Amino acid sequence: DQQVKQNSPSLSVQEGRISILNCDYTNSMFDYFLWYKKYPAEGPTFLISISSIKDKNEDGRFTVFLNKSAKHLSLHIVPSQPGDSAVYFCAASGHGGSQGNLIFGKGTKLSVKP
Amino acid sequence: DTAVSQTPKYLVTQMGNDKSIKCEQNLGHDTMYWYKQDSKKFLKIMFSYNNKELIINETVPNRFSPKSPDKAHLNLHINSLELGDSAVYFCASSHTGSYYGYTFGSGTRLTVV
Repeated sequence: DQQVKQNSPSLSVQEGRISILNCDYTNSMFDYFLWYKKYPAEGPTFLISISSIKDKNEDGRFTVFLNKSAKHLSLHIVPSQPGDSAVYFCAASGHGGSQGNLIFGKGTKLSVKP
Repeated sequence: DTAVSQTPKYLVTQMGNDKSIKCEQNLGHDTMYWYKQDSKKFLKIMFSYNNKELIINETVPNRFSPKSPDKAHLNLHINSLELGDSAVYFCASSHTGSYYGYTFGSGTRLTVV
């Protein structure tokens, strides 16, 4: 049973344009959401997060939006750069941090073309 | 200076063997984890462990066992390896109650032949 879903396995975007990666979840007890970025042969690295009490969090070129009523979050990257090409994992936690282990989606592979 | 290090990076072994994957973190974190990324690319929690509690995902076969000699280490032992155990295994660590997620190692690709 997938509690965190990333329905797009891949996304291709032109350099300089916006990348939008989507994530849906089913568990209403999740209260913290994170995005991780993963390059080949490396472990996932933390990118940005959002608490369920907010609907937006911004960090430089990266913005995460949360729509709790729709159980949907998205990651916007503007402008996209070739170095952003990686697999992006959406993750959610039920109790915050390690009290509720992170549940991951399957990932979306982003390709940013020069 | 690697924050979370796993060894070996690659492991090829025959069915029925017993193997271990080591994990060490130098971040001063008090909770460590093992995740499995299977062929379908899901990252699934296997174990979480701090000095008080071991939490085991109920779907993990008892052939898998975590061993923690101290707070900085959480090794994964696998007995009687099966073909279906082939996957990439990631170790991670965090502060208990941290809202900033985990720090992952670079993964161990296990291939059972």
